[in-house]
Amino acid sequence: AQKITQTQPGMFVQEKEAVTLDCTYDTSDPSYGLFWYKQPSSGEMIFLIYQGSYDQQNATEGRYSLNFQKARKSANLVISASQLGDSAMYFCAMREGNNQGGKLIFGQGTELSVKP
Amino acid sequence: NAGVTQTPKFRILKIGQSMTLQCTQDMNHNYMYWYRQDPGMGLKLIYYSVGAGITDKGEVPNGYNVSRSTTEDFPLRLELAAPSQTSVYFCASSYRLREVYEQYFGPGTRLTVT
Repeated sequence: AQKITQTQPGMFVQEKEAVTLDCTYDTSDPSYGLFWYKQPSSGEMIFLIYQGSYDQQNATEGRYSLNFQKARKSANLVISASQLGDSAMYFCAMREGNNQGGKLIFGQGTELSVKP
Repeated sequence: NAGVTQTPKFRILKIGQSMTLQCTQDMNHNYMYWYRQDPGMGLKLIYYSVGAGITDKGEVPNGYNVSRSTTEDFPLRLELAAPSQTSVYFCASSYRLREVYEQYFGPGTRLTVT
């Protein structure tokens, strides 16, 4: 079974609008972490935001926020005021447990295209 | 700091050849990882290491070997290359800050096996 599911292979958004990228996860471990990474066409992996399973508040980093709904097992990324430079692949990833070496399980990604 | 460096950037191998992908980090991170990314897919963990001398298998270890003799270096060895190993390979490192293991990625190695 997929542990991380990103159901949107591709998304379009108009410049300056907000966009939500979906991510659902599956784990029975009470302690886990959720990450979002951006991969531009140049190929590097860029860390965006992190949410711990015990964090009480949704994580925010500049224009990025994570809409964490624990009961629904979802961790959607919200990008506000989209910019042309936001066009990229976006990956949701999960770390299970605290003592397993920090290894990540990735979703298949969502390709975001920002239109001028 | 150079961060995580990988060599080579590109490589074409013939079926049955072997090679080593190099990975070095200068951040004194204990944890290091090798992932592969097939076209249009997310990353899959090949091997990881929690410290010098300690390695363990990830999700897709078959056809690969690793070693970790120093904190800085984590080479990935491909023996008897197969077309199924055509992929982009990423090395990453992290440290534990509370329960967050933010991973720092190298630029990747694009490998083609023909």
